Amino acid sequence: AQRVTQPEKLLSVFKGAPVELKCNYSYSGSPELFWYVQYSRQRLQLLLRHISRESIKGFTADLNKGETSFHLKKPFAQEEDSAMYYCALGYGQNFVFGPGTRLSVLP
Amino acid sequence: KAGVTQTPRYLIKTRGQQVTLSCSPISGHRSVSWYQQTPGQGLQFLFEYFSETQRNKGNFPGRFSGRQFSNSRSEMNVSTLELGDSALYLCASSSQGGTGKNIQYFGAGTRLSVL
Repeated sequence: AQRVTQPEKLLSVFKGAPVELKCNYSYSGSPELFWYVQYSRQRLQLLLRHISRESIKGFTADLNKGETSFHLKKPFAQEEDSAMYYCALGYGQNFVFGPGTRLSVLP
Repeated sequence: KAGVTQTPRYLIKTRGQQVTLSCSPISGHRSVSWYQQTPGQGLQFLFEYFSETQRNKGNFPGRFSGRQFSNSRSEMNVSTLELGDSALYLCASSSQGGTGKNIQYFGAGTRLSVL
């Protein structure tokens, strides 16, 4: 079955440090990859998707089909980036979320 | 545009009871998906409706069911509640069917507690 893995349940970094949230997926076809974010007391929302190839709030993510990865990166973390991040895979009419990584940016 | 609206926000039920949750999608959106979110299992897909038809279903028992009305509003029903059904239930809408490619917009959720 198709699945998404995010190896880190919790990732803590200091403000200004680079951050990378890892995401790997298993799917042999052409995937649609997304990153969703849930800030404290806010609803789950889209951060970015691979087909847009854009930077949102300083975050970027590159789809690496060879490594089946879609890691989320930001060169300089900010305290307001602290949140729960979910990687998600869309295939056909299906959609599956990874388990999530809680990012904590320390002052 | 108003966002995705879920009612009620909180529910407390006892084992064996049934419950109905409601979701109003963003105006013009025809696809509604439901997810169960728990600390242990994360976000798990329940089912998706598009134009009143269930197009996709996750791996949940038949106690979990849903429907969609002609105005795209959706309801989810859970019968014979179990303690393990305690969770945050999220609804998401998208403009087109086939959640695989489309951005989903989430509601704030209904928190169900089963005692």
